[in-house]
Amino acid sequence: DAKTTQPTSMDCAEGRAANLPCNHSTISGNEYVYWYRQIHSQGPQYIIHGLKNNETNEMASLIITEDRKSSTLILPHATLRDTAVYYCIVRVEYYTGKLIFGQGTTLQVKP
Amino acid sequence: GAGVSQSPRYKVAKRGQDVALRCDPISGHVSLFWYQQALGQGPEFLTYFQNEAQLDKSGLPSDRFFAERPEGSVSTLKIQRTQQEDSAVYLCASSLIQGTNTEAFFGQGTRLTVV
Repeated sequence: DAKTTQPTSMDCAEGRAANLPCNHSTISGNEYVYWYRQIHSQGPQYIIHGLKNNETNEMASLIITEDRKSSTLILPHATLRDTAVYYCIVRVEYYTGKLIFGQGTTLQVKP
Repeated sequence: GAGVSQSPRYKVAKRGQDVALRCDPISGHVSLFWYQQALGQGPEFLTYFQNEAQLDKSGLPSDRFFAERPEGSVSTLKIQRTQQEDSAVYLCASSLIQGTNTEAFFGQGTRLTVV
């Protein structure tokens, strides 16, 4: 199983971009990178996923390096409601689609 | 329904008591997952259903844990003879189809406290 490494915690000023890094140096060619976040007392919420191209949706952008060994989740204009634990996950099983969560990064958005 | 619904939201059980946790997935979702989340940790996979078939139960920590989804919709996670180490949030997730590109929708979880 490809493992991911994320910083334990990060701070970001409200209104600024939040850039959350993730290392996944053992990722296989057919594995996708997924990002979920978990706001306090809620279940995880899907944000975005990608294989090798950069992706953007209404929530965030995902930048994946050319060698696919790392990626960055970008929240372009962080708000206080973006304070959460962010999980970078490499999808390990096509058949079941189960998610293997690590410790994640606790993002604190400050006024 | 609008999302994955779990009940109860909170459950306090005396050690040795049996508990049953319910999950109502999004209508039409084929895949259903159960996860266990200890305090300060990320969720850990317990088991997976495709319709009514339990295809993966490799994450269940002991034979005291049992899950079922008899009609391919509602699922129940049962824990027999609860112990203090079972205290955690139990999360249910569903997705439309199996595969790598399907988004999983999570419920708010059931917080189990064993005293």
